[in-house]
Amino acid sequence: GENVEQHPSTLSVQEGDSAVIKCTYSDSASNYFPWYKQELGKGPQLIIDIRSNVGEKKDQRIAVTLNKTAKHFSLHITETQPEDSAVYFCAAIGGGTSYGKLTFGQGTILTVHP
Amino acid sequence: SAVISQKPSRDICQRGTSLTIQCQVDSQVTMMFWYRQQPGQSLTLIATANQGSEATYESGFVIDKFPISRPNLTFSTLTVSNMSPEDSSIYLCSVATASTDTQYFGPGTRLTVL
Repeated sequence: GENVEQHPSTLSVQEGDSAVIKCTYSDSASNYFPWYKQELGKGPQLIIDIRSNVGEKKDQRIAVTLNKTAKHFSLHITETQPEDSAVYFCAAIGGGTSYGKLTFGQGTILTVHP
Repeated sequence: SAVISQKPSRDICQRGTSLTIQCQVDSQVTMMFWYRQQPGQSLTLIATANQGSEATYESGFVIDKFPISRPNLTFSTLTVSNMSPEDSSIYLCSVATASTDTQYFGPGTRLTVL
């Protein structure tokens, strides 16, 4: 089955800096890669996603890049703000019978210092 | 995006008892899933809730421990049976439609077993 590795496990930045979180996946048939933000006491919130036919997607301060050959994808947050502090999870949906089944990375605790 | 509610939001239970968690979505969805998030950990898929038929369980999860119902396209329940302290986790439902891989999560049910 699919396996997703996420790095770093913790990330601390100053307000206004950029933050980058990286994930690798194992199933070359995987075709959908969402990113979720989870604040304390809440469920995961979808913040951006990318499909395998696209190399990059951007939504305001958030962007995701995908390298299918290397089987890795990254989340980029620019001009970070204290409210960006949360746990971020990458995920992937594998191919074949894995339809709809998300496999999550281990999570990154992002702290943005004012 | 779909609006998802879960009941209860949290509970403290005694070992050996069972708890049923409800998941309600405000629109008809094709797919509903149940995930477990152990303290400080990532999310792990328990099962896919199938309407009108038995749920599809992932490796390591069995129906006797986590019976699931899905009587219609907007509602599902997960029961955690014969609980032990190791079952203390956040239990989350998620939904998706057949036309997209996009999954949205409920707010979660925080379970503590004493």
